[in-house]
Order: sequence, then structure tokens, then C-alpha cells
Amino acid sequence: GAVVSQHPSWVICKSGTSVKIECRSLDFQATTMFWYRQFPKQSLMLMATSNEGSKATYEQGVEKDKFLINHASLTLSTLTVTSAHPEDSSFYICSGGLLYEQYFGPGTRLTVT
Amino acid sequence: SQQGEEDPQALSIQEGENATMNCSYKTSINNLQWYRQNSGRGLVHLILIRSNEREKHSGRLRVTLDTSKKSSSLLITASRAADTASYFCATAPGGGNKLTFGTGTQLKVEL
Repeated sequence: GAVVSQHPSWVICKSGTSVKIECRSLDFQATTMFWYRQFPKQSLMLMATSNEGSKATYEQGVEKDKFLINHASLTLSTLTVTSAHPEDSSFYICSGGLLYEQYFGPGTRLTVT
Repeated sequence: SQQGEEDPQALSIQEGENATMNCSYKTSINNLQWYRQNSGRGLVHLILIRSNEREKHSGRLRVTLDTSKKSSSLLITASRAADTASYFCATAPGGGNKLTFGTGTQLKVEL
């Protein structure tokens, strides 16, 4: 199957700083990628849809000014958590793929202290 | 909001036994997918069943779909310790590839 990578795999940052997470499709082009957030022992919650060359669309309740998404190329989408707070600590996962099959990155564990 | 509810939330079985997980969803679908997630890792696609299919097999996996009841089940036969993971059903309400996940079942297979 296709491969999606994420970088970094884990990051610890201080409250108030910004963190950028990269999501790359390694062997396919993705005009659309998705960003999810997962709290411990919970399911994945869709945060936003990243669209190549245009603005991301955010799910209800997700602050677009806090979670900045950039999809500058067909193989790269970035999620920047701005002014991070401890409650933003979570597991962030991206996906991209074909119409009926999504390929997921390995996830990024963000801890805000 | 979650599209699907899964039960049980957690399941612990012995190696060699079968594991059954159930998923219910709310809206009409074109297909339903099952994913596996090992602890702290990304998701792995297991199987997709289309709305006009009632049952599908892949190796030790058997998936059923009952669109009249808006429910699906995943059966893992002859379970192995390596099957220990969380399992999620996912649908794309309205079509497309924007997935909504169920609440998940944490499966533990003990030796």
C-alpha cells in the first residue's frame, strides 16, 4: 500500500510556542489530506481537510487560527499548532489516499508543558 | 461527532479464540471500512465492504454489513497475540473520503 510519513514522531514544547507537523505522501500524490486528533484511549476526531493549493476546511469547533494548515504541494501538508497549550497535547495523525482507501501516517505525539 | 458506536469497548481473549467486534452507524453509507491501530501508532486499513455487499473475507478477517440495521461486525478468527490492537470502523457520510470513525474496540489477545 501507499506510504504516508509524519515528522516529527514526537515533540515536547513549552506552552505558548508553536509547533509544525509535516505529513508527506511518499509514493502518491494527494490533492486532499486529512488531519485527525486522538486523545488517549479515544477515537480519531477529524480536525480539518487540507486541500492542495487552496484553503483548508475545518470541522466545527476547530479553531482555524490555532491550527494552521498549509498544503503547498501534492505530497506535503503541514499542521502548525500555534500558541500551544497543555490541552493541545494529543496524538495528531494525517491521512491521504484514494477515494475509498486512506493511508495514515504513523502519528505525531505532541506534549505541551 | 462520532458516526459509529462500537462494542465492546474492550475485549480480552485467549490466543486461538475468535474475536467479534460490532459497529453501528447513523447515516446511509456507500461503504464501511475497518482499521487497526497498534498502541501509539497510525492506522492500518484492514478491509472495505460496500453497501451492496453483506459479507467479505480477507485472511482471518470476516466482515458483515447489515444496512437495514446500520451495523457491521468484524470477526477475527484464530486470534494471535499480534492481533492485540484497537479496531475502528469508519464511514464516509455523504460519500467521498472524509472518514468518521467509530469509538473503537480495544482487543487484547493473551498467550
